[in-house]
Amino acid sequence: GESVGLHLPTLSVQEGDNSIINCAYSNSASDYFIWYKQESGKGPQFIIDIRSNMDKRQGQRVTVLLNKTVKHLSLQIAATQPGDSAVYFCAEGSGNTPLVFGKGTRLSVIA
Amino acid sequence: EAGVAQSPRYKIIEKRQSVAFWCNPISGHATLYWYQQILGQGPKLLIQFQNNGVVDDSQLPKDRFSAERLKGVDSTLKIQPAKLEDSAVYLCASSLDPGKFGYTFGSGTRLTVV
Repeated sequence: GESVGLHLPTLSVQEGDNSIINCAYSNSASDYFIWYKQESGKGPQFIIDIRSNMDKRQGQRVTVLLNKTVKHLSLQIAATQPGDSAVYFCAEGSGNTPLVFGKGTRLSVIA
Repeated sequence: EAGVAQSPRYKIIEKRQSVAFWCNPISGHATLYWYQQILGQGPKLLIQFQNNGVVDDSQLPKDRFSAERLKGVDSTLKIQPAKLEDSAVYLCASSLDPGKFGYTFGSGTRLTVV
């Protein structure tokens, strides 16, 4: 299940289950949104992006959903694997302005 | 293609000392960013360069932080004097064009100020 700790929210899932990571963004004028994966000791790694004129985009084992009405973004990971364990960040951007990152969610996969 | 290179990987300094971080972006990437990531938080922008010019440094604590990208390629970020609250990972990222998304990040420099 999902819990909110003192720092990062943590989501624990069984290997093979689907994971859903949620993000609330702040700027209704953002043009695009990106999900990043950050493993320990590494920089954020691009996973998938979505433009503001879309509500769904699929990649390999990942799907991003965008609900502009409530300013909500989600990342769905199918058949979660131990290698998916990491911290996941959503980021929003528009035009030439730098990406603004959310607070992140730690995903722990239980083998 | 080679990724974004950063050095050093780790640095421990005492408060009030100075420190410098180096970044070599992906070849041809005109835009370079420095982000600060405090433990348990998302990256926060410090400064954005377009070639060798500063585009956005509104969140850079200019009384102690400075950054340069003299030839539009490599960049250095300096802190002088360091404070305890500067302990963080300093991430460098580059992109081909500011309007394109999907920055490529380096592995970062973990700074500990004691």
